[in-house]
Amino acid sequence: KAGVTQTPRYLIKTRGQQVTLSCSPISGHRSVSWYQQTPGQGLQFLFEYFSETQRNKGNFPGRFSGRQFSNSRSEMNVSTLELGDSALYLCASTRGGGAAETQYFGPGTRLLVL
Amino acid sequence: ILNVEQSPQSLHVQEGDSTNFTCSFPSSNFYALHWYRWETAKSPEALFVMTLNGDEKKKGRISATLNTKEGYSYLYIKGSQPEDSATYLCAFNSGNTPLVFGKGTRLSVIA
Repeated sequence: KAGVTQTPRYLIKTRGQQVTLSCSPISGHRSVSWYQQTPGQGLQFLFEYFSETQRNKGNFPGRFSGRQFSNSRSEMNVSTLELGDSALYLCASTRGGGAAETQYFGPGTRLLVL
Repeated sequence: ILNVEQSPQSLHVQEGDSTNFTCSFPSSNFYALHWYRWETAKSPEALFVMTLNGDEKKKGRISATLNTKEGYSYLYIKGSQPEDSATYLCAFNSGNTPLVFGKGTRLSVIA
């Protein structure tokens, strides 16, 4: 059974640009959550999608947005990049998005903003 | 704002030593507590999901306990091996909210 995949794995952008990251969950999983990790911080929740609907949203500015497609693949978009957006972005999938369900993480996309 | 604290921040032990670390979380509105292991250059990997007060889980040499009344969980590693070197994350969930992660405990096991 294939795991969670994320593309691209590495990305370099400049301030002001926008970026789109992709996450393909485990087959059969309908919930995808996105997290940001910066040095010295724990994983910060961005948003969760279930059946193409955003179910939860973290405390991030509107420049961060996402969506989910009918095949459960999810994309995350960051517009008008800032230096502070440099981070590792992880996505995780679960079958139903339940609070006690194990989250399966992808390898992450490392974004560097210059 | 929910706060999840992990201690210590980092730990160095000798191979063969047993060790433990702590995760503290809000004692109200508890629903689930997750433990993950995150090795360098890999994805976080689930260890346990715990939901009941007094719950104990075990996976090989790693075990965890849960006290929801006082808001803490302990993770124990018996006879640490170099391959146990990783960052151990805990995450708390109150049911209606997303997982809130602690900053992790970084374990280094020296051969």
